[in-house]
Parts: sequence; C-alpha cells; structure tokens
Amino acid sequence: GENVEQHPSTLSVQEGDSAVIKCTYSDSASNYFPWYKQELGKRPQLIIDIRSNVGEKKDQRIAVTLNKTAKHFSLHITETQPEDSAVYFCAAISNTGGFKTIFGAGTRLFVKA
Amino acid sequence: EPEVTQTPSHQVTQMGQEVILRCVPISNHLYFYWYRQILGQKVEFLVSFYNNEISEKSEIFDDQFSVERPDGSNFTLKIRSTKLEDSAMYFCAPGASPETQYFGPGTRLLVL
Repeated sequence: GENVEQHPSTLSVQEGDSAVIKCTYSDSASNYFPWYKQELGKRPQLIIDIRSNVGEKKDQRIAVTLNKTAKHFSLHITETQPEDSAVYFCAAISNTGGFKTIFGAGTRLFVKA
Repeated sequence: EPEVTQTPSHQVTQMGQEVILRCVPISNHLYFYWYRQILGQKVEFLVSFYNNEISEKSEIFDDQFSVERPDGSNFTLKIRSTKLEDSAMYFCAPGASPETQYFGPGTRLLVL
C-alpha cells in the first residue's frame, strides 16, 4: 500500500542552525504535500505545503522542496529557535478518485538554546 | 485558522462498549477526514468523506467503525465495540478542498 518514509526520527540542533527533514512517498498519484507541526498535547498544525507542479516554496524561515521524479520532498527550517521544538510530520495526499492522506512517522526536533 | 470543535474532549469507556465521537466542521467545508493518533505515534488516516459519502477508507477502518452526518452539519465517528487498542486521540479535519485540512482539537479516547 501507500507509504511515506520520514527521516530522521529525532533531530537536535543548536539555536540558529538549520534543520532539514526528508520524506519519500510511494504513491505516484500523490499531488499535494503538507507539513504539520505538532507541539506536545496539541493538534497538528499546517505550517507549509507544496503542490506537485511546484519544485520549491518558501515562507520566511521555512522552505519545502519537491522532487517528483525521485518522490522526495524536504522541509528546511533556517535560523532555528527554541520554539521550533516540536514533532514535524510530512504527508502526501492523493486526490484521484477518492482522497486520502498518508503521514510520515514524524521527526522530533529539539532546538537547544 | 478556522475553528473546528470536537466533543467530547476526553472519553473513558469499557472494552466492548460503543462510543460516538462528534465533530462540528466549518460550515462551508465539504471535505472531511477522520484520523487517529496513538500516543507518541504518527497520525493515521481512517476515512475521508465528501458529498455525504465515504470517499476512501484505510485498513484500520473496519466494520467496527462507521461515519455519519446525522443532521447535515455535524459529523460523527462511531466505534461499535471498542478494543483496548482503540485508545488514541481521534482528530477530525474538515476542509474546503481535499488538500486543505484544519485539524480539530481531538478527542482522547481511553478504553479500559
């Protein structure tokens, strides 16, 4: 079945450094790739997304890249801050016929002050 | 971000009992997802719903689960005979499109 692999599972960086999280998807019909941030005890919140017809998107300190040929997409956070510490999930959505969302396993990001 | 409400926020039930989880979506959101998240694990897709019909469902969404829109606005997720492994956070996520989803605050279900 469809699968989304996410790496690393845990990432620790120093404040001000960059963080990169990578995902790979298997379903060729996937055409939308959101990233969610989930703080402890809270709901996932959408932080950025990218559609399959776009290779890169940036929003302030956050950027996402997509390589549709390789079925890879990545989240880049620059100038990390302690409040960036959370679990980050990538996801892939296919919208052909029915629609479903497959999430990656999550990356726990620690930003050390 | 639009506000989505879910009730109850917490529910404790005995194994084998039925539970009904409720979600009030944004009024113009026609697409609808239910997810579950076991503590410390990833978000798992259960079912998507559009135009009063199920669009897709996962292997988790077996005969014990059902989803309804009883009054044309609220959505419910019913688990007929709960098992210990059904203990999790259950999130609804309505959206104006299949892609854009806004997670509700979740219902924490504990099956004893």
